[in-house]
Amino acid sequence: SYVLTQPPSVSVAPGKTARITCGGDNFGTKSVSWYQQRPGQAPVLVIYFDSDRPSGIPERFSGSNSGNTATLTITRVEAGDEADYFCQVWDSTSDHYVFGSGTKVTVL
Amino acid sequence: QVQPRESGPRLVKPSETLSLTCTVSGGSINSGSSYWSWIRQPAGKGLEWIGRFYISGPTSVNPSLKSRVTISADTSRNEFSLNLTSATAADTAVYYCAGRNGDPSYFDYWGQGILVTVSS
Repeated sequence: SYVLTQPPSVSVAPGKTARITCGGDNFGTKSVSWYQQRPGQAPVLVIYFDSDRPSGIPERFSGSNSGNTATLTITRVEAGDEADYFCQVWDSTSDHYVFGSGTKVTVL
Repeated sequence: QVQPRESGPRLVKPSETLSLTCTVSGGSINSGSSYWSWIRQPAGKGLEWIGRFYISGPTSVNPSLKSRVTISADTSRNEFSLNLTSATAADTAVYYCAGRNGDPSYFDYWGQGILVTVSS
């Protein structure tokens, strides 16, 4: 089955940049989405189609997809960005969805 | 604003069937481009996609759960349901319904989630 690999944790100081990676095979044929999940809350979509932002998501959140790695970048990190972040892809061939294992972002 | 909401028993006995319903307000699940999924999350763990309902095509289910999962819909009530048979403690999780209208590759709208515990 398709596997998405994320680092378990990322720590970042306020005002700095956090980068969260998501590794998978043949990413070039799939679009990657990213979700933010604060404790006790449902996930919130922050990036879709590799790099598009839903309305209401700050421009500080951006995404990229190159080769076998997708990256979520959060610039000018704030305390409120502390959360778990999950990447996700849809395999159109099998019509199945896969989530990454998640990355906990800690703001120092 | 599309708002899904999960409902159902919060306690299920081992070997019994876990049954949940997602009621969607503010949008029709009967739309030809409407995709709705069940996703779960055990405490302290990641998200696992369970399966998806699509009015214009076959239901899609995670291969790891395929033998135990049925997803159906009642379009007159604008709701869809999950049945997970032979429940075990490993099925204890927060269950979310999530979906969108349009491209099926991601999830716009999420319910608040419902914690289901499998225990005797």
